[in-house]
Amino acid sequence: DTGVSQDPRHKITKRGQNVTFRCDPISEHNRLYWYRQTLGQGPEFLTYFQNEAQLEKSRLLSDRFSAERPKGSFSTLEIQRTEQGDSAMYLCASSPPLAGGETQYFGPGTRLLVL
Amino acid sequence: AQTVTQSQPEMSVQEAETVTLSCTYDTSESDYYLFWYKQPPSRQMILVIRQEAYKQQNATENRFSVNFQKAAKSFSLKISDSQLGDAAMYFCAYRSYDDKIIFGKGTRLHILP
Repeated sequence: DTGVSQDPRHKITKRGQNVTFRCDPISEHNRLYWYRQTLGQGPEFLTYFQNEAQLEKSRLLSDRFSAERPKGSFSTLEIQRTEQGDSAMYLCASSPPLAGGETQYFGPGTRLLVL
Repeated sequence: AQTVTQSQPEMSVQEAETVTLSCTYDTSESDYYLFWYKQPPSRQMILVIRQEAYKQQNATENRFSVNFQKAAKSFSLKISDSQLGDAAMYFCAYRSYDDKIIFGKGTRLHILP
């Protein structure tokens, strides 16, 4: 399967713990995006990378959130000192360079529950 | 800032019938992209159809077509010959100049057998 993959698919943690999610984009896609989706809402943009450079961060991304894409391939999203309000689906998407780059292809998401 | 509004939280349609999902958006940009994404229950989001704003012709993908009215900032999705597998949340989305996608709140579509 050559689609966007995310790991883990589900994560349950206790408030105050740190969690890390991984996203593997489609091969040769140079742009990678993170979104957060809460129940009954559409996804909200968090941040995105072009290759290894993080180009933009949403105001939704508090100081407890950090994302990396060290070699321009996979990306990680870490949440420190989790809070119950962090419970959501975290979606990753990627898009190819140049022509066709307008379309983002989504992974299955990581569902986070903070107890 | 751009916004996307889907005014129908839920809709139902009889199998084999046609249904239209509404979407309006607000932007000051002249060149942009619009999308409809489908998110089945507990499954990942997939692209249904996309429209380039500079193209006057409405996009079509098999049973899915759009009615793009640029002046009215309207972008509706028509699903013809509805099938049980079309049941899902449908999100209208706008791609802004800075490469972010802005989603509406979604319309949950039920297909009645």
